[in-house]
Amino acid sequence: EDKVVQSPLSLVVHEGDTVTLNCSYEVTNFRSLLWYKQEKKAPTFLFMLTSSGIEKKSGRLSSILDKKELSSILNITATQTGDSAIYLCAVVRLPGSGYALNFGKGTSLLVTP
Amino acid sequence: GAGVSQTPSNKVTEKGKYVELRCDPISGHTALYWYRQSLGQGPEFLIYFQGTGAADDSGLPNDRFFAVRPEGSVSTLKIQRTERGDSAVYLCASSPRGNEQFFGPGTRLTVL
Repeated sequence: EDKVVQSPLSLVVHEGDTVTLNCSYEVTNFRSLLWYKQEKKAPTFLFMLTSSGIEKKSGRLSSILDKKELSSILNITATQTGDSAIYLCAVVRLPGSGYALNFGKGTSLLVTP
Repeated sequence: GAGVSQTPSNKVTEKGKYVELRCDPISGHTALYWYRQSLGQGPEFLIYFQGTGAADDSGLPNDRFFAVRPEGSVSTLKIQRTERGDSAVYLCASSPRGNEQFFGPGTRLTVL
């Protein structure tokens, strides 16, 4: 069965710090890995990483996929209080489920002023 | 444009009752997914629709759970004989092609 493990489970930093969130996965047939930000209820899409797109960047956020190590990191530089949220990592399930996702438990990030 | 909407936003019911949770996907999105998120956990896949048909229902925990999407748009998740362990946030997501999913705000179900 596919597994997604995120670390740390929670993190508290000061505004302006840089953080790195980790995600490791075990899947039978890797298709893609996605990062989501969840502030209240609805997860919002951040990045999708595939074999042909292993590095993505948007503003202060960036993500890298390491297919050899079966892992990904999400970096947030110059953190702001608005970055406080749960960050979810997910991999696409086996074929047949469309692009249904297997999620990790998430990393809860709190950025203090 | 309008995003994915879910109703009700909160539902409190008693153990043993029947509940229906509704999802209105983004117009034109053919793929629709239901997930369940318990406290401190990531969302857990329940069922996937492509158009009107349930292409994969392997995530439904047991036969008390059922979902329909009769016209390929709105979907309803139905839970019979609710149990306290069914308490969770039920999330719906839709996608135009499948690769990027847009999530609704969820329905928080509490079974007393």
